[in-house]
Amino acid sequence: NAGVTQTPKFQVLKTGQSMTLQCAQDMNHEYMSWYRQDPGMGLRLIHYSVGAGITDQGEVPNGYNVSRSTTEDFPLRLLSAAPSQTSVYFCATTNRGWDTDTQYFGPGTRLTVL
Amino acid sequence: AQSVAQPEDQVNVAEGNPLTVKCTYSVSGNPYLFWYVQYPNRGLQFLLKYITGDNLVKGSYGFEAEFNKSQTSFHLKKPSALVSDSALYFCAVRDKGYSTLTFGKGTMLLVSP
Repeated sequence: NAGVTQTPKFQVLKTGQSMTLQCAQDMNHEYMSWYRQDPGMGLRLIHYSVGAGITDQGEVPNGYNVSRSTTEDFPLRLLSAAPSQTSVYFCATTNRGWDTDTQYFGPGTRLTVL
Repeated sequence: AQSVAQPEDQVNVAEGNPLTVKCTYSVSGNPYLFWYVQYPNRGLQFLLKYITGDNLVKGSYGFEAEFNKSQTSFHLKKPSALVSDSALYFCAVRDKGYSTLTFGKGTMLLVSP
């Protein structure tokens, strides 16, 4: 039982390049989210999904795309990377229900855009 | 919109002393509150949560938090700090849609030997 996995752990991109950050979970959780962490700003929500085929925007969605074709996977796409997207990215999952809503986080992907 | 404030960027405490990390919130309706800890170069780990019931919530690693509705606070506490408690602590509130969290900016806890 791996929990929440993220790949890659580290990535360096040049401005304008594209890439996909992978997130996978084996906990059969319906809800998945992407956050970015920047110093002094805590974690901010990028996009989230409440189930396969359903996604929505969070607080800072610009420059990012997501899709959810399966329960297990929730990739985050950067179409044209910018230096402002240098950050640590965390994927999180949770289950439905008011008393079972603890979020479980992946180990993160540290992205640098030059 | 709901929000969480952590007024201290950093808290310093000597090992063996009690520690408090402060958190205040602003939500409409009943708050669902969480504390997470992040060790260097790691993801976030769940510590404890308040949903309903007793105002004093006990969590992992000897931590507890006190929910105070009148002061809209949810301070994290531990009776005796350890050097290994040094980490970044986040307070968060569950969003209305149930599936995501709104985080505070985090408080770095440094416990000196």
